[in-house]
Amino acid sequence: KAGVTQTPRYLIKTRGQQVTLSCSPISGHRSVSWYQQTPGQGLQFLFEYFSETQRNKGNFPGRFSGRQFSNSRSEMNVSTLELGDSALYLCASSQQVNYGYTFGSGTRLTVV
Amino acid sequence: EDQVTQSPEALRLQEGESSSLNCSYTVSGLRGLFWYRQDPGKGPEFLFTLYSAGEEKEKERLKATLTKKESFLHITAPKPEDSATYLCAVQMMYSGGGADGLTFGKGTHLIIQP
Repeated sequence: KAGVTQTPRYLIKTRGQQVTLSCSPISGHRSVSWYQQTPGQGLQFLFEYFSETQRNKGNFPGRFSGRQFSNSRSEMNVSTLELGDSALYLCASSQQVNYGYTFGSGTRLTVV
Repeated sequence: EDQVTQSPEALRLQEGESSSLNCSYTVSGLRGLFWYRQDPGKGPEFLFTLYSAGEEKEKERLKATLTKKESFLHITAPKPEDSATYLCAVQMMYSGGGADGLTFGKGTHLIIQP
């Protein structure tokens, strides 16, 4: 059974640009969550989607947004990138909202 | 403010030397407490979910326990391959029955020396 797939694995962007990250959940999983991991702040919750609807949102500015498609695949977008957005962005999927979460390997974003 | 604190930040053990990692939390309305293991360059790997005080779960050399204020991850006779960062996370429950995203601690970096 394939795990959670995140693309791309690595990304380098310039300050002010925008970026879109992709996540394909485990087959049959309808909930997708996004997390940001940095050395200073650790893992922080961004948002969770279920059946194309955002169910929960963490404490991040509006520059961070996401969406989920009918096949449960999800994308996360960050606009007007700042140096502080450099982080490992992790996607996690689960069979339903608030159930066991399986994480992908993440997308390493570097903003220069 | 809800918090999750893990201790120690780092721990170095000899192979076979048992120990415990601590996760203390201050949240109202705990829905579940999660333990994950993370290896360098990889996403967290799910280990356990605990839902109520007194609950215990085991997997190979690991055993997780939960009280009303904290959780322990006991590692018995560890091997070098148990070296990793161990993360604890809590999930709060809303008054309406829903739940929030996971709130993670900073982790315990465990090194097992052969």
